[in-house]
Amino acid sequence: DVVMTQSPLSLPVTLGQPASISCRPSQSPVYSDGNTYLNWFQQRPGQSPRRLIYKVSTRASGVPDRFSGSGSGTDFTLTISRVEAEDVGVYYCMQGTHWPWTFGQGTRVEIK
Amino acid sequence: QVQLQESGPGLVKPSETLSLSCTVSGGSSSGYYWSWIRQPPGKTLEWIGYISNTGYTNYNPSLKSRATISVDTSKNHISLKLTSVTAADTAVYYCVRGERMGGDRWGQGTLVTVSS
Repeated sequence: DVVMTQSPLSLPVTLGQPASISCRPSQSPVYSDGNTYLNWFQQRPGQSPRRLIYKVSTRASGVPDRFSGSGSGTDFTLTISRVEAEDVGVYYCMQGTHWPWTFGQGTRVEIK
Repeated sequence: QVQLQESGPGLVKPSETLSLSCTVSGGSSSGYYWSWIRQPPGKTLEWIGYISNTGYTNYNPSLKSRATISVDTSKNHISLKLTSVTAADTAVYYCVRGERMGGDRWGQGTLVTVSS
């Protein structure tokens, strides 16, 4: 299985400041159709996961533009340009290229 | 707005079969891929499997052929059966609309505990 390594695992942030989470898959997530199925999810406390970003950098419907995704190869990043209180939770990267599709361990974002 | 609601027993005995249902409201279950994903307490997410809009199914090899996913489009239900459960199958189970792009609709999840 493709191992998704996230860092850091815990991220204390100051309100209004930027935050970045790294995701490194053990194999390239480029699929045979040319797309890179690297996705990001947010799981707020007590809630279901919510898709934020799909195919590296496409924001899902309703996701604020302070969230952005970037990267290529085996190095991907989720960036929050200015952290708000509602961004507290656990963030997961996920690859949808190699079956079984797999998630990272999660990065817990908390306010300092 | 499409909503998904999982239902099923919260407690299952070891070696028995876990059966969950997902009801789709506000939209149709036909024409989409449907997945089941689970999350053991305090751990990350695991993709159990999916069923395509043509009925093709694919399951995580880690489950060793214990899982079955089906869709009843007439009832707008998606089902999951997992046989021979053990304590390692204790998790919150999510019904998800979608596949390799991660799914655009998730249910609220249902906790299933395996214990005698």
